[in-house]
Amino acid sequence: QQQVKQSPQSLIVQKGGISIINCAYENTAFDYFPWYQQFPGKGPALLIAIRPDVSEKKEGRFTISFNKSAKQFSLHIMDSQPGDSATYFCAASRKVTFGTGTKLQVIP
Amino acid sequence: NAGVTQTPKFRVLKTGQSMTLLCAQDMNHEYMYWYRQDPGMGLRLIHYSVGEGTTAKGEVPDGYNVSRLKKQNFLLGLESAAPSQTSVYFCASSYAEYQETQYFGPGTRLLVL
Repeated sequence: QQQVKQSPQSLIVQKGGISIINCAYENTAFDYFPWYQQFPGKGPALLIAIRPDVSEKKEGRFTISFNKSAKQFSLHIMDSQPGDSATYFCAASRKVTFGTGTKLQVIP
Repeated sequence: NAGVTQTPKFRVLKTGQSMTLLCAQDMNHEYMYWYRQDPGMGLRLIHYSVGEGTTAKGEVPDGYNVSRLKKQNFLLGLESAAPSQTSVYFCASSYAEYQETQYFGPGTRLLVL
């Protein structure tokens, strides 16, 4: 049973565009929603995280939007750059449950 | 400060062979985790530890055993490797509970023939 569903599986965005990755969760007990970024051959690294008491969190070009009633959250990457090309995982705790990942490719 | 390190980086095993993956962290973290990463499956938790001397099962524990004899080390063992265990294995650690940032190692690529 997959408790965190992530989409799309892959995404191609032009440089300067907006990348949007969506996640939906089932367990209302989840109370921490991090996004991890993984470059090829490397381990995932925390990118940004949100708790359910706020609806949005922004750090530079990265924004998490959180909709508690819909049990959905999304990652927006503004002004996407080729250096953002990586695989992105959403996650939810408790017992951190990861989404299946989105491979983002930003083309010049 | 090396963070989380994993050895080996790559290994090829024959079906039925055994091996141990080593994870070490120098951040004095209480929590440590072993994940496997497979295409289209994301990261799945195998086992985890909430402190020295403790271990617990995760989502996909079958075929694996773990030990946490020292706070800084978390070992993952495969007693009799199977082709289904071909994967990339990641170790992670965190200071406290699941809500805290997890720091990942660089991964171990395992191929079971």
